Amino acid sequence: EAGVTQFPSHSVIEKGQTVTLRCDPISGHDNLYWYRRVMGKEIKFLLHFVKESKQDESGMPNNRFLAERTGGTYSTLKVQPAELEDSGVYFCASSHSGGRARTDTQYFGPGTRLTVL
Amino acid sequence: KQEVTQIPAALSVPEGENLVLNCSFTDSAIYNLQWFRQDPGKGLTSLLLIQSSQREQTSGRLNASLDKSSGRSTLYIAASQPGDSATYLCAVQDGGFKTIFGAGTRLFVKA
Repeated sequence: EAGVTQFPSHSVIEKGQTVTLRCDPISGHDNLYWYRRVMGKEIKFLLHFVKESKQDESGMPNNRFLAERTGGTYSTLKVQPAELEDSGVYFCASSHSGGRARTDTQYFGPGTRLTVL
Repeated sequence: KQEVTQIPAALSVPEGENLVLNCSFTDSAIYNLQWFRQDPGKGLTSLLLIQSSQREQTSGRLNASLDKSSGRSTLYIAASQPGDSATYLCAVQDGGFKTIFGAGTRLFVKA
C-alpha cells in the first residue's frame, strides 16, 4: 500500500510568486491534514478535510493560503502571493475514519520544503 | 488553548540504556495522544497512539503511557540502540481532529 505522497519535495520561489503544493493521501483515507513547520518552531496544524469538506481551517495563517480537495482524493495548498515568512516544511497527513470507530493514526508524507527568497 | 511541552529538548545516552521521554499538555480534554519519530529530512513515522480511554500502548521496545487527568504522557524506550537516534514528537488531538504538537525531544544514542 502506497503511503502519503507530496509533490514537489522542494520548491524555491521568489517573494510575490505563487506556489501550489500537492498531497496524495493513502487510498481510502477520508481525513486529510495540512501542517507546517517553520525554522526552529514546532509543527503547526493548518487545516483538516473530511473527504472534500473543510472541517477546521483555524490554523491557516491568512487568506494568501488556499487549500482544496476536489473529489475527496488529493489535496492542493496554494500560496499566493508568497511571502518570506511562508518558508518552511509543509507536511500532509491522512487518517482513516473507520466508520463509527475513529482509528485516528495519522500517516505523514515526507513534506515539501518551501523556500521563499 | 492547548499547549504541549516535551522534556528534555535533547538527550544523549549510551547504547543499551533504558530511557523515558516526557510530554505534558495543558487541556485534559483530548481525544487521543500520538507519539511520532522523525528522522532528519524525512516525514513523521507514527510509533504509538493512545486513545483517551486507554492508559498505555506497547510496541516492541516502546511503551507509551497516558495520564489524562494530570496531562502527562511518557514514552519509554528499552535497551536503546543507535538506530533509535531521531527526534521524538508528541501530539494531542481534540475531539474535532485538531492536532497540537510539542517541539520534540532530540535523541542521540551513542554506540
